[in-house]
Amino acid sequence: DIQMTQSPSSLSASVGDRVTITCRASLKIDTYLNWFQQKPGEAPKLLIYAASSLQSGVPSRFSGSGSGTDFTLAISGLQPEDSATYYCQQSYTAPQYTFGQGTKLEIK
Amino acid sequence: EVQLVQSGAEVKKPGESLKISCEGSGYTFNTYWIGWVRQMPGKGLEWMGIIYPGDSDTRYSPSFQGQVTISADKSISTAYLQWSNLRASDTAMYYCARGRSSSWYEYAYWGQGTLVTVSS
Repeated sequence: DIQMTQSPSSLSASVGDRVTITCRASLKIDTYLNWFQQKPGEAPKLLIYAASSLQSGVPSRFSGSGSGTDFTLAISGLQPEDSATYYCQQSYTAPQYTFGQGTKLEIK
Repeated sequence: EVQLVQSGAEVKKPGESLKISCEGSGYTFNTYWIGWVRQMPGKGLEWMGIIYPGDSDTRYSPSFQGQVTISADKSISTAYLQWSNLRASDTAMYYCARGRSSSWYEYAYWGQGTLVTVSS
């Protein structure tokens, strides 16, 4: 199994800040990496697919980068509505996908 | 508009069986993979398995193989997740999700979730 490790587990930032969340795979996964946002009581929402492609309808302040084992989700110009938990997911071994443990983002 | 609508919350006893559903609309149901994801209370996301409704090709994550059954009825554009012997540890929110494109690498459309509670 490919393990996905996110850091940090939680973070707090202010409106307007830029934050980054990292995701490390236990094996190389090329760019088969997706990022999801989940707000309390809601279903996950796909933000970024194939490591750096922005899903339709997602604000451009979200961006993704990386390949191989190390990936980053960046959010610039934080908004109050960005308060959520963020998950990375590898699809290299599709259909045996695995998620990271999640990063909880709080907006001060 | 692509929509996945899941069946309502369920409360069951240990040992009972259950089948929850996910109805797709706004697209050709047969031609996109549908997956199921578990989220236990206060925990992260776990991928359970996927099905291609066109030919019922079904794949399970190792942790869920033999524990659940995924199926689909393309005549009514509905996918299912079922248990034959529920346990308290099956208590969770279950989501269905559809592939972003015809491939199985990304899942962009999600149902609203079905909460399953198993308690004696």
